[in-house]
Amino acid sequence: GEDVEQSLFLSVREGDSSVINCTYTDSSSTYLYWYKQEPGAGLQLLTYIFSNMDMKQDQRLTVLLNKKDKHLSLRIADTQTGDSAIYFCAENPPSGTYKYIFGTGTRLKVLA
Amino acid sequence: SAVISQKPSRDICQRGTSLTIQCQVDSQVTMMFWYRQQPGQSLTLIATANQGSEATYESGFVIDKFPISRPNLTFSTLTVSNMSPEDSSIYLCSVEGPRGEKLFFGSGTQLSVL
Repeated sequence: GEDVEQSLFLSVREGDSSVINCTYTDSSSTYLYWYKQEPGAGLQLLTYIFSNMDMKQDQRLTVLLNKKDKHLSLRIADTQTGDSAIYFCAENPPSGTYKYIFGTGTRLKVLA
Repeated sequence: SAVISQKPSRDICQRGTSLTIQCQVDSQVTMMFWYRQQPGQSLTLIATANQGSEATYESGFVIDKFPISRPNLTFSTLTVSNMSPEDSSIYLCSVEGPRGEKLFFGSGTQLSVL
């Protein structure tokens, strides 16, 4: 099947690190993505990782990919109140198709 | 990244009416995609809008309910026809990056049907 699963909620204190986890089932995906959705807005592409990489760091964001376990995580360092949003992981289908598969979304709440 | 303008940003509509959502991209793109996000849910692909041909609909979505136009490589519309409260959702337009490795989204249209 093609299911991308995430936990629904995460609450952290401002300044702490947040780790949002995702599991996927389509091992042929070329890229895996993290999107951020603020209330009433569209999806903003935060970062993405090529499937032959284990880790990618971009400022406060660190993406870890474990292909063996089909596990993707997003770590946000020094979490701020502006990071409060819903985070979606997504996978890119095999070349020649266009159906991106999105996870259920994790609602991150940052407490001041 | 592509700049995608979507309008209206939100609307409240009466049951039985139709709403047309517009999506404008700042560059020419081959394919444009329309997604639906029901309250508290993830994204579901409605259809792929191809320039010069009919849109390709996903299972569960039909042209009579969601007619799509794609008159050129920078513009598309999605119409939600004969609306019911179950159509209350966020509708999102998206395009792929030039190398096809990223998906960019418009700001979305939040539709409420009374």
